[in-house]
Amino acid sequence: RKEVEQDPGPFNVPEGATVAFNCTYSNSASQSFFWYRQDCRKEPKLLMSVYSSGNEDGRFTAQLNRASQYISLLIRDSKLSDSATYLCVVNGGGGADGLTFGKGTHLIIQP
Amino acid sequence: DAGVIQSPRHEVTEMGQEVTLRCKPISGHNSLFWYRQTMMRGLELLIYFNNNVPIDDSGMPEDRFSAKMPNASFSTLKIQPSEPRDSAVYFCASSTTGGTYNEQFFGPGTRLTVL
Repeated sequence: RKEVEQDPGPFNVPEGATVAFNCTYSNSASQSFFWYRQDCRKEPKLLMSVYSSGNEDGRFTAQLNRASQYISLLIRDSKLSDSATYLCVVNGGGGADGLTFGKGTHLIIQP
Repeated sequence: DAGVIQSPRHEVTEMGQEVTLRCKPISGHNSLFWYRQTMMRGLELLIYFNNNVPIDDSGMPEDRFSAKMPNASFSTLKIQPSEPRDSAVYFCASSTTGGTYNEQFFGPGTRLTVL
């Protein structure tokens, strides 16, 4: 079983729409969760951390469900500039204390 | 303020050659991470250092790979001998202490092609 699983997409979404995607993780001992964003041929950059109580940053909302071991990301009023690959990241997965990255969900915002 | 610096940005080499990738972390960061990214396997953690000491190298594929961090401002990842399946983008990232709980800042990556 893969440690961090994401739907690779692509998700083709019209500008202004709301889009949501999930990520599941296998290690119940994981304690830290993040969403990173990666643009084509660029390095990953932190989008937001995911807290147990859920958190919001502008148009972005992240939720954590420990019982079901999944994390979600919601993007409201999507912009063309949101087009990217979104990586779900969990600690305590692969290495003793390293981060485990999902393969990413590819999002394309269409005008 | 400079971010994580990696060199070279692109490397093309022939099978069997030695390859050395270099990384300069953000000043003041105590943790340094080496990752490899391919289409098939995504982003994989190879090794990470805390205060210049290797903490977990379980992701290093095999003995052909080695990493060092002689001081707080420099790290190398060496592949000897290189093979075509090593072709990938190699990222270095750094973070403040407790890097798996804090934001990791990635360098621009080294795109390695082994012919």
